[in-house]
Formats: sequence, C-alpha cells, structure tokens
Amino acid sequence: SAVISQKPSRDICQRGTSLTIQCQVDSQVTMMFWYRQQPGQSLTLIATANQGSEATYESGFVIDKFPISRPNLTFSTLTVSNMSPEDSSIYLCSALGKAPSYNEQFFGPGTRLTVL
Amino acid sequence: GESVGLHLPTLSVQEGDNSIINCAYSNSASDYFIWYKQESGKGPQFIIDIRSNMDKRQGQRVTVLLNKTVKHLSLQIAATQPGDSAVYFCAENEGSDYKLSFGAGTTVTVRA
Repeated sequence: SAVISQKPSRDICQRGTSLTIQCQVDSQVTMMFWYRQQPGQSLTLIATANQGSEATYESGFVIDKFPISRPNLTFSTLTVSNMSPEDSSIYLCSALGKAPSYNEQFFGPGTRLTVL
Repeated sequence: GESVGLHLPTLSVQEGDNSIINCAYSNSASDYFIWYKQESGKGPQFIIDIRSNMDKRQGQRVTVLLNKTVKHLSLQIAATQPGDSAVYFCAENEGSDYKLSFGAGTTVTVRA
C-alpha cells in the first residue's frame, strides 16, 4: 500500500486568494489524482496529475482555476486559484498502488478548505 | 440482516447483524468496481474490489456481488461492528486509465 499525506489539513481563506495543497506519497507511484468532495457529497475527479507533463483535467475543471504540478513520482500540488465560497470543499489526492496492489487507489486524508 | 433498496443514503444496523449496501452504476462499459469506506475526517479507505469478469468476491467479513445484467453492485458486511460505522462509496472505472467515478454514498450507523 501507499501512505499519503497532505498539507495543510485544513485552512480558512478569503475570497479572491489562492491556496496550494501539497500531496506526498511515501513511495514512487505511477499515477496520482486529485478529487473534490463538497460537504456531504461524493467525490468528483478533478484531474490526473501527470509526471513531467501537463495534468489531464475532467469536464468542468480547468487549468487556470486548478493548476497542478507533479515534479516527481512522489509529490504533487493542487492550487485552488481566485477562490470563492463555492470552492469550499475537501480536496483529496490519491495514488495508484504498487504490485500486488497495483489496481488499488489509496487516498490521502484530505484538505478541508473553507472560503469566506 | 438488514438491507437497503436500490440505494438509500442511510442504513441503521444492529451490532452483530449483517449489512447489505447497494449501488447502481450507469456505465455498462465499466469493468472495475471498488468499495471504499470513509470515516469522519479521513480519506476513503479501500475495502474490496471486483472485476467485471467475476460476480462475487470475498474478503475478511466483506463480500462484493456484481450483477452486470442490471448494473448493480452490493457490499455485504458480516457481523457488523461499531467500527463499521462510516460512509460507504462504490466506485467504477472503465478501461485502463484508473479514473474513478464515485456513487453517492451510504451512511452506515451501527446500533449497540
């Protein structure tokens, strides 16, 4: 399995500002993803964080709003830009496991963001 | 044991009883399915998975059943314990991109 940590665990931000969330995996992984979980709701995939190339975004999510970096095989960041109260959510990163759990997707604890 | 209908957002279970959580999926091309457990303040935790070439898979105290004909997935938890109280999500994936689509989730509460 992979152990995933996220920083910060929570934050309260003012509208119009940006926040960068860090995701660290304890081992090298092939694939990393970012999800959003709005209060009381399910998870929605934002993008696939690709190592060495631009992230692949899902419908409804754009790079200008959610720029993502993945400089190596253990680390990724998600920035929530020009925040509004509608961005208040839990943001989770995940990573694909290694053999024999290579199909399993492990999740970090999440970053709880509140935008005022 | 107790079970929900096709999907209900909450399930209350007596400790020691069996639980059945249901999930309907929409993409007939999905070939990989996973159940996750999410406790309050934590990220989802992998429980069990199943591929579309199977209709049943068992783990420790859990069984996943897949009915591709009606696009239905269920999770059975045997001898439900207080530590099983959480939100349970089914997720599906099509192809090899590992991108997951999550269901709405069912909140399970275990009564002592």
